Amino acid sequence: SQTIHQWPATLVQPVGSPLSLECTVEGTSNPNLYWYRQAAGRGLQLLFYSVGIGQISSEVPQNLSASRPQDRQFILSSKKLLLSDSGFYLCAWNDGGPQHFGDGTRLSIL
Amino acid sequence: QKEVEQNSGPLSVPEGAIASLNCTYSDRVSQSFFWYRQYSGKSPELIMSIYSNGDKEDGRFTAQLNKASQYVSLLIRDSQPSDSATYLCAGDSGTYKYIFGTGTRLKVLA
Repeated sequence: SQTIHQWPATLVQPVGSPLSLECTVEGTSNPNLYWYRQAAGRGLQLLFYSVGIGQISSEVPQNLSASRPQDRQFILSSKKLLLSDSGFYLCAWNDGGPQHFGDGTRLSIL
Repeated sequence: QKEVEQNSGPLSVPEGAIASLNCTYSDRVSQSFFWYRQYSGKSPELIMSIYSNGDKEDGRFTAQLNKASQYVSLLIRDSQPSDSATYLCAGDSGTYKYIFGTGTRLKVLA
């Protein structure tokens, strides 16, 4: 069966510091991969999605970027975090069926 | 009109009652729909998918899709306090992306 791993679970970072969040999927090949952000009490905002290695589509222009260096690995990065980057970051995958989410990373910016 | 719209709630129902959650959608959303349950502080969990007009039942959950009226609903029978959560409705946009509603908070009162 397929599983999705996302880490770290929580992260506290100072403003202006870099960010790297990682997501990996097991048990499937060439999945579609997604990064979402959920601000406190708000809905899900799609940040990036990828339908294949090296293919990244950006939904929201901001100081975040994404990369897919391997088939089942998706990385969310930032060179300099802003206060507004705080939130709950969720990775998701699908391969033709419904999207399934990882456990998420709660990011706090100080 | 928002592409996928839900009443934010909270919807309060007594234990053992039927909870009815509704979602309307615009023409930009295709005919595949999904209901996710999100407990506070946790990631969304898929509970129902519905792809065709009509009803789909799974245990205490029934999803209903009405394409003519552009709404999808989720019924939870014999509601339990453990069903208290935010329920997210999502539609497939047909371009790898889902469009999520902002969620309805359900409170089941013991």
